[in-house]
Amino acid sequence: DSGVTQTPKHLITATGQRVTLRCSPRSGDLSVYWYQQSLDQGLQFLIQYYNGEERAKGNILERFSAQQFPDLHSELNLSSLELGDSALYFCASSVDRAGRTYGYTFGSGTRLTVV
Amino acid sequence: QKEVEQDPGPLSVPEGAIVSLNCTYSNSAFQYFMWYRQYSRKGPELLMYTYSSGNKEDGRFTAQVDKSSKYISLFIRDSQPSDSATYLCAMTRAGGYNKLIFGAGTRLAVHP
Repeated sequence: DSGVTQTPKHLITATGQRVTLRCSPRSGDLSVYWYQQSLDQGLQFLIQYYNGEERAKGNILERFSAQQFPDLHSELNLSSLELGDSALYFCASSVDRAGRTYGYTFGSGTRLTVV
Repeated sequence: QKEVEQDPGPLSVPEGAIVSLNCTYSNSAFQYFMWYRQYSRKGPELLMYTYSSGNKEDGRFTAQVDKSSKYISLFIRDSQPSDSATYLCAMTRAGGYNKLIFGAGTRLAVHP
C-alpha cells in the first residue's frame, strides 16, 4: 500500500456520461497530481493541486475538471465521455507541510472503460 | 523534441544479467530524478529518488545522474524474473512542488 488511495478501482460507463474519480493523498502530503495513461502510452500529466489551489495544468481537456478539498482529497470529474477517454487515471502526491518531499507516490489507479 | 527521451525497448535479458536503463533530457532546470517500476496496468512504484548529480545505491539498484550530459541511468544487478516490468524515468524542477515529466518507459523482460 503506497498510502495514496484511489477509488473506484474500475469504472465502466457509457459515452456521454459523467464520472468522478477520487484520490486521497498520502497522509500529510499537500500536493496532488493527476495523470492519464492510455493503452501502451506514457503517463500524461493532467493537472496539479497544492493545498487546495490549482498549481499547474497539462493536457487536460475542457470536459475534464478537478478540485482539491480542505481535507486534501481530490476529485477528477470527467464529463461527456468519449470512447477515447478509456484509460488508467493515476493520482500522485508529494510534499508535506514542512516542504519535504521523498518522491512522488502514486496510487493504484482507476481503470475507466467507456463503452 | 520531447523533454525526456527514453528507449522503449523491449529489453530481454537472462536471469542474473546486469541491466542498464537510460534517459536523456533537455531541460537543464530539472533537479530531482526518479525511477519508477510499473507492472502491467498497476500504479508506478518509486524505486529511486535522487537529487542533482551523483550516484545512489539501494540493494541491487544503482541510479546515476550526470547533469552535465543531461543523462540518467538505472542499473539493476543480478536481475530476477520478478524485475520484469516497465521502468519509467521521471524528473522535475527543484522543490517537489512541480509536475513530474516522464519518459516513455522501457519494457524489461528477465527470462529464467
